[in-house]
Amino acid sequence: NAGVMQNPRHLVRRRGQEARLRCSPMKGHSHVYWYRQLPEEGLKFMVYLQKENIIDESGMPKERFSAEFPKEGPSILRIQQVVRGDSAAYFCASSPLAGGGYEQYFGPGTRLTVT
Amino acid sequence: DQQVKQNSPSLSVQEGRISILNCDYTNSMFDYFLWYKKYPAEGPTFLISISSIKDKNEDGRFTVFLNKSAKHLSLHIVPSQPGDSAVYFCAARVGNTGTASKLTFGTGTRLQVTL
Repeated sequence: NAGVMQNPRHLVRRRGQEARLRCSPMKGHSHVYWYRQLPEEGLKFMVYLQKENIIDESGMPKERFSAEFPKEGPSILRIQQVVRGDSAAYFCASSPLAGGGYEQYFGPGTRLTVT
Repeated sequence: DQQVKQNSPSLSVQEGRISILNCDYTNSMFDYFLWYKKYPAEGPTFLISISSIKDKNEDGRFTVFLNKSAKHLSLHIVPSQPGDSAVYFCAARVGNTGTASKLTFGTGTRLQVTL
């Protein structure tokens, strides 16, 4: 049973370019969460999605960031016009149901470097 | 506003001894707590969790204690093994469903188990 898959594992973008990060949840999981970890910090919640719906985007920056989880295919976190401050590790997690005793299982992360 | 705090950035313990990692929180609405372990360049791995209706949960070498009145939890690892060397994150969640599903993480404690 494959775990949460994220690709690419490493992504280098120049300032002003777009970054697209992909996440495929564990089989049977329909809830996806994105977190960001800046250097020397803990993980910060960004957005929570179910299929075709954004449930909670309270952690998303107001501009340049967007996320989707289409009916078919992986969840995508998109960062437009990247800046140096976007350099971080971006982790995706999934769970079979929301809340309760359901733990979130994390992927290996995408390390974004903006040059 | 750091709602989950891990005040010890690092901890060194001898192999075979007990490791105690501490976590404090400020949000009294948190009712589910989790510990994750993270190796470099990997995603966090779920270790153990505890609901606010309990004060202790045990799983093999890992035990989590919750003191609600003090808003404090701790992770005990007995006996500590070199493979336990990693960064440990405490996380908390409010409620059971919907927007309450997001995890709030501490900044992590780096545990080193020495021979």
